[in-house]
Amino acid sequence: NAGVTQTPKFQVLKTGQSMTLQCAQDMNHNSMYWYRQDPGMGLRLIYYSASEGTTDKGEVPNGYNVSRLNKREFSLRLESAAPSQTSVYFCASSEFVLGNEKLFFGSGTQLSVL
Amino acid sequence: GENVEQHPSTLSVQEGDSAVIKCTYSDSASNYFPWYKQELGKGPQLIIDIRSNVGEKKDQRIAVTLNKTAKHFSLHITETQPEDSAVYFCAASRLNDMRFGAGTRLTVKP
Repeated sequence: NAGVTQTPKFQVLKTGQSMTLQCAQDMNHNSMYWYRQDPGMGLRLIYYSASEGTTDKGEVPNGYNVSRLNKREFSLRLESAAPSQTSVYFCASSEFVLGNEKLFFGSGTQLSVL
Repeated sequence: GENVEQHPSTLSVQEGDSAVIKCTYSDSASNYFPWYKQELGKGPQLIIDIRSNVGEKKDQRIAVTLNKTAKHFSLHITETQPEDSAVYFCAASRLNDMRFGAGTRLTVKP
């Protein structure tokens, strides 16, 4: 099992450019998440999808959109990238929506916005 | 929403010594407290978790304690080894809301 797979691993964008981060999980999990990780701030939730067909805002949703394409795939889109979105992005999944259970994380996407 | 504070931000120990990382949380409704380990270039991985109806949990060299009254919980690593070097994150969770601490970079010197 590959677990949670994210692409790309690295990306450099210019301010105003758009891009989509892809995430897929092969564990048949219902819930998927996008986090950003910034130095000194831990992991902050951007958006999550409790189940196929639903998405909800997390702690820091501004400037992002998401799509739960099917049970396996959950993408994150930056429509007009800004330097403040320079960060490491992690996709995660769990069997059920955030609560008392383990999150499985991908290996991350390092994004720089110039 | 929940606020989780984690200390220290960096910790350096000699191989074989113990390491302790502490976290406090603000929301008394939080009932699940996981700890994640992040190695360089990888995503975080769960190493141990504790639920609010338990005061302590052990798994080999790692243990977690929870004090619900004081709203703090701690990670204890005994007999540290160089492979324990990583960034450790605590988190506090209630349904639909999990918040992470800022992380502790642990360095174990051989």
